[in-house]
Amino acid sequence: AQSVTQPDIHITVSEGASLELRCNYSYGATPYLFWYVQSPGQGLQLLLKYFSGDTLVQGIKGFEAEFKRSQSSFNLRKPSVHWSDAAEYFCAVTPGGYSGGGADGLTFGKGTHLIIQP
Amino acid sequence: EAGVAQSPRYKIIEKRQSVAFWCNPISGHATLYWYQQILGQGPKLLIQFQNNGVVDDSQLPKDRFSAERLKGVDSTLKIQPAKLEDSAVYLCASSLGGGPLETQYFGPGTRLLVL
Repeated sequence: AQSVTQPDIHITVSEGASLELRCNYSYGATPYLFWYVQSPGQGLQLLLKYFSGDTLVQGIKGFEAEFKRSQSSFNLRKPSVHWSDAAEYFCAVTPGGYSGGGADGLTFGKGTHLIIQP
Repeated sequence: EAGVAQSPRYKIIEKRQSVAFWCNPISGHATLYWYQQILGQGPKLLIQFQNNGVVDDSQLPKDRFSAERLKGVDSTLKIQPAKLEDSAVYLCASSLGGGPLETQYFGPGTRLLVL
């Protein structure tokens, strides 16, 4: 069965500093990979996704993530964080190599809570 | 474009009572998901519908949970009887056609507290 590990429960970063959130996955083949953000009182919002091709993917709000097959990782980065980035971040996977008609629910990690210091 | 709608937003019940949650997906979205998010954890898929058919309910506790999507549009998730460990946020998501290439859009969730 596939699984996702986010080793950092909490991360504190100063406003304007760079950010990296870690994500490791366990799956027999290359899965499809996602990062979602959850702000208080709001639903989960997709930041970016990786299916294939270029291993560095760009997302919304200035975020990017890099897929590293050799490390089974998909870390999220941002060069300079803003106070509004404070939220819960979730890495998720779903089986790759599939389209339409079958089970494609997401398997989420436990999340990383990002705190921004002024 | 309206997002995924869920109601109620909050519900408090006593154990052994029953409760129902409602979800209206984005118009035209064929695929609908229900996730359970326990405090401090990531969401866990309970059930996936494609139109009005069940695609995956392998993680749904079928002895107490049930879900339906009769007309292929809105959906209801029911718990009967509720247990303390069912306290969680229940998230509904929808996607246009299904498949991992389609983005799943999430609703605001229903927060359930079982006392």
